Amino acid sequence: QQPVQSPQAVILREGEDAVINCSSSKALYSVHWYRQKHGEAPVFLMILLKGGEQKGHEKISASFNEKKQQSSLYLTASQLSYSGTYFCGTESCPDSNYQLIWGAGTKLIIKP
Amino acid sequence: DADVTQTPRNRITKTGKRIMLECSQTKGHDRMYWYRQDPGLGLRLIYYSFDVKDINKGEISDGYSVSRQAQAKFSLSLESAIPNQTALYFCATGGTGSYTGELFFGEGSRLTVL
Repeated sequence: QQPVQSPQAVILREGEDAVINCSSSKALYSVHWYRQKHGEAPVFLMILLKGGEQKGHEKISASFNEKKQQSSLYLTASQLSYSGTYFCGTESCPDSNYQLIWGAGTKLIIKP
Repeated sequence: DADVTQTPRNRITKTGKRIMLECSQTKGHDRMYWYRQDPGLGLRLIYYSFDVKDINKGEISDGYSVSRQAQAKFSLSLESAIPNQTALYFCATGGTGSYTGELFFGEGSRLTVL
């Protein structure tokens, strides 16, 4: 079952904060976050593993709530370069061999 | 040069034609994947391979086949293309041994089936 990402799209002014959510109907072992700019390949941001571990990447951080089966991506003081579509990919067990199930994506537009 | 290279980048073909999309990587990774991306659906796994002799079906393998010619090369074939196979196709590679989970994607191959 595909995880649900929300919102589907968001428009921000440069410097504003954003939160992107990824929710699954299945228990999760890990959540992977990628960003894809228009016409380009997805690029890895971070992985969160079962245990609620929070990881950061510059001004982008994320959390993983395994009880709620969801992850949230936090973009602080957004920059123009943050524009793109953000995807979460989920695994339900550690031996899935990284067969990720991907969300439909959240389009983020940052305006000057 | 890109670490993961896909050819062709764009292809227009007709229904019933055989198409091959090729992927090569210079990262030395064992794991290679083929994904399909459709608007509003995200990425869906077609096939994946952990080495030359280990090839596995993903969630949408019907109508597709693959070949792992070498550790660095993984090809996707559409034996008889149909219009609903029009999509953006990505090849990705993953690590070796103590794999961290990060995938490295090629730049994509846009396929249009008329």
